[in-house]
Amino acid sequence: DAKTTQPNSMESNEEEPVHLPCNHSTISGTDYIHWYRQLPSQGPEYVIHGLTSNVNNRMASLAIAEDRKSSTLILHRATLRDAAVYYCILRDALNTGNQFYFGTGTSLTVIP
Amino acid sequence: NAGVTQTPKFRILKIGQSMTLQCAQDMNHNYMYWYRQDPGMGLKLIYYSVGAGITDKGEVPNGYNVSRSTTEDFPLRLELAAPSQTSVYFCASSYSAGFETQYFGPGTRLLVL
Repeated sequence: DAKTTQPNSMESNEEEPVHLPCNHSTISGTDYIHWYRQLPSQGPEYVIHGLTSNVNNRMASLAIAEDRKSSTLILHRATLRDAAVYYCILRDALNTGNQFYFGTGTSLTVIP
Repeated sequence: NAGVTQTPKFRILKIGQSMTLQCAQDMNHNYMYWYRQDPGMGLKLIYYSVGAGITDKGEVPNGYNVSRSTTEDFPLRLELAAPSQTSVYFCASSYSAGFETQYFGPGTRLLVL
């Protein structure tokens, strides 16, 4: 599976939008882009995923570049509960092992 | 549904001891996984299973064993604990492969002294 590159840390003020970037220049045509987050002392939890088109759900939005070599996770209004490590992961839909490669992610700090 | 449950939450082992980390899911998922997470690092896959009776190695399998006798349970066995196995262990499950969401348990914190 292709690798991703994310900033180590970011800060945001509470109630403001947050844009978390991810670069994946070697992405293949069958790679899905997944985002998970890990709150302190908890297991990771699913946030959103997409293939080519932008995606929205109740937690966040995922904006995917036209060439698919980068993507951005958008939290529309950051809350203190959104402070977590956010992982951008590529997953080959044809890989039956379903292995996720977690990097070190982006640690998001939300400032009250 | 309880989702993915793990026991124990925390354990201290002496070098050379053995133990089994328990994992269970009640979502009727075919796929189950064991990850470890070292301090400040991302998760690394230890073993995974695509169904009862079928297991395969992940990225860091050395020092661990697994079995999958039922759909619900996927225990992880440490035979001879070493300090390098001090970590937080997460179990996860998913319905299938590909783009399916993985659901994670709360983790087991293991300290080997």
